[in-house]
Amino acid sequence: DGGITQSPKYLFRKEGQNVTLSCEQNLNHDAMYWYRQDPGQGLRLIYYSQIVNDFQKGDIAEGYSVSREKKESFPLTVTSAQKNPTAFYLCASSAGLSGANVLTFGAGSRLTVL
Amino acid sequence: GQNIDQPTEMTATEGAIVQINCTYQTSGFNGLFWYQQHAGEAPTFLSYNVLDGLEEKGRFSSFLSRSKGYSYLLLKELQMKDSASYLCAVSDSNYQLIWGAGTKLIIKP
Repeated sequence: DGGITQSPKYLFRKEGQNVTLSCEQNLNHDAMYWYRQDPGQGLRLIYYSQIVNDFQKGDIAEGYSVSREKKESFPLTVTSAQKNPTAFYLCASSAGLSGANVLTFGAGSRLTVL
Repeated sequence: GQNIDQPTEMTATEGAIVQINCTYQTSGFNGLFWYQQHAGEAPTFLSYNVLDGLEEKGRFSSFLSRSKGYSYLLLKELQMKDSASYLCAVSDSNYQLIWGAGTKLIIKP
């Protein structure tokens, strides 16, 4: 079955460490996204990519980095520069622009900074 | 600025009907999406409205009024499994999604 796989599901990090969250899709979707979800707030876009080897900053890109070397993969690195990284991170993909296509989400990765 | 408003939490009884409202102010409009998200899980697509009116899909219906900047999601014959958060998202003039904070729906027996 086609879908999006995120790993790890739970991750603990010490302050000052970088961590990388994995996102893989086998839906043959061109566009991929990373969102951050905090209690009481809407999903906030971190980065998105509409094509391989290209990506754009979203609303809250500071302290994060991404790469898109393969169509199937869009890993997110949470760097030590991110001031408040504890959150639920969601990866998504769509056939085209997010506002014109249905998003398929991964199961999420919950990052906790100790 | 761009803004999406939804009630934070609602409670309803199993077997009843509930309406979850969403009002929006965005720069342009290219459609409105509703997603369902069970606690700790991925959001899943429920409906998409781009024209005014009601779209029915089984027990769920979604309504849109573009002139009023308003949508609602109507859930009929509520089941315990409908306990979840319901996310409203609007596609703006650049086809970027603006998300509401979500409405947590609690179903009581």
